[in-house]
Amino acid sequence: DTGVSQDPRHKITKRGQNVTFRCDPISEHNRLYWYRQTLGQGPEFLTYFQNEAQLEKSRLLSDRFSAERPKGSFSTLEIQRTEQGDSAMYLCASSRSRGENTEAFFGQGTRLTVV
Amino acid sequence: GNSVTQMEGPVTLSEEAFLTINCTYTATGYPSLFWYVQYPGEGLQLLLKATKADDKGSNKGFEATYRKETTSFHLEKGSVQVSDSAVYFCALSVPRGDTGRRALTFGSGTRLQVQP
Repeated sequence: DTGVSQDPRHKITKRGQNVTFRCDPISEHNRLYWYRQTLGQGPEFLTYFQNEAQLEKSRLLSDRFSAERPKGSFSTLEIQRTEQGDSAMYLCASSRSRGENTEAFFGQGTRLTVV
Repeated sequence: GNSVTQMEGPVTLSEEAFLTINCTYTATGYPSLFWYVQYPGEGLQLLLKATKADDKGSNKGFEATYRKETTSFHLEKGSVQVSDSAVYFCALSVPRGDTGRRALTFGSGTRLQVQP
């Protein structure tokens, strides 16, 4: 297991198109988070899964955004009708819920550019 | 709400200089505190953490002490190397009892440039 992986690493799309990103967490991690990071800022929390259940969504997550984690393993984040303001780095993180080391491990992110 | 404020960069130092990056926070509840580092072209990596007041987190020569009275978690290193050039993020998490969520609230990051 080499850590959290995200696909694709880069995505350029035209305004109005739909995009989907994938995150594969560390296999034994039951918690999964999505964050968004814009240039010069720290990551901001978007949504959280424990196993397959989406337990929390940030107010940043508009109706055009949807996330799933169907079998409690990989997760997808879809953005419908993309806007230029959606351009950002989308980060996925995973963690354990029990034990000593419950800190989050991050993937390298998917950089979205909406033109 | 929760927030983290850290010093703006870039911070430019010569090799072997002493480093301090200031971080202060506000939190509802009792937070855990973290420093994450992002090297060029790589993802965020946990550098160190502290979970209660007066704890000192340390790793790779970096240290930070959880100061509840000043709500601070300043990052220090006695002698920086060129390889320490990266963006450093201070962060906190306050667990939510209902969902177990431990999402991180990040500062805006401080870019460190170390010159040989």
